[in-house]
Amino acid sequence: NAGVTQTPKFQVLKTGQSMTLQCAQDMNHEYMSWYRQDPGMGLRLIHYSVGAGITDQGEVPNGYNVSRSTTEDFPLRLLSAAPSQTSVYFCASSGRGLPNQPQHFGDGTRLSIL
Amino acid sequence: TQLLEQSPQFLSIQEGENLTVYCNSSSVFSSLQWYRQEPGEGPVLLVTVVTGGEVKKLKRLTFQFGDARKDSSLHITAAQTGDTGLYLCAGARPGNTGKLIFGQGTTLQVKP
Repeated sequence: NAGVTQTPKFQVLKTGQSMTLQCAQDMNHEYMSWYRQDPGMGLRLIHYSVGAGITDQGEVPNGYNVSRSTTEDFPLRLLSAAPSQTSVYFCASSGRGLPNQPQHFGDGTRLSIL
Repeated sequence: TQLLEQSPQFLSIQEGENLTVYCNSSSVFSSLQWYRQEPGEGPVLLVTVVTGGEVKKLKRLTFQFGDARKDSSLHITAAQTGDTGLYLCAGARPGNTGKLIFGQGTTLQVKP
């Protein structure tokens, strides 16, 4: 039972580098989201998707891009990494039917930007 | 501006004590969820409350949704060391957009 799988688990980047954080779910969930978690800030929504081909911005979208070409995958791209993007990133998925559907989270990607 | 205010942010208590965590907002939510997160892992859902005034119990944990659906509380009776972790509330705004808004979290440490 894989659930939501995030890769990599850890990453160190230099300022200005680009990278893609991968997220895959095997529950056929329509909703997928990316959050960042910083101390004292809880989880803040970066981007989300309500289905393949449909994405929208969350609270803190600047510096990040997403796409959703399949139901299973929802990658997050950092085009030019900045130290302010040092954080723990979580991907989540949920089935249709919020508000009652729980969000299933991956174990996170710990990203450091030097 | 934090739409969901959680308090307290940190709580350190002795095993056996009771505690309450609050989640407050000026906005109405169609539902509110409580999650628990352990170090190195993603949050895991504890409960969802949907109806104003609803009370749900999960063993020693009691969750309540305010009558106006703007606030919620989590009460733990006779805390145990295994309750240690980060507790997060998350609200779904009306409209079923698939978005959740999270509070800042409450870090609970239960000492033996």
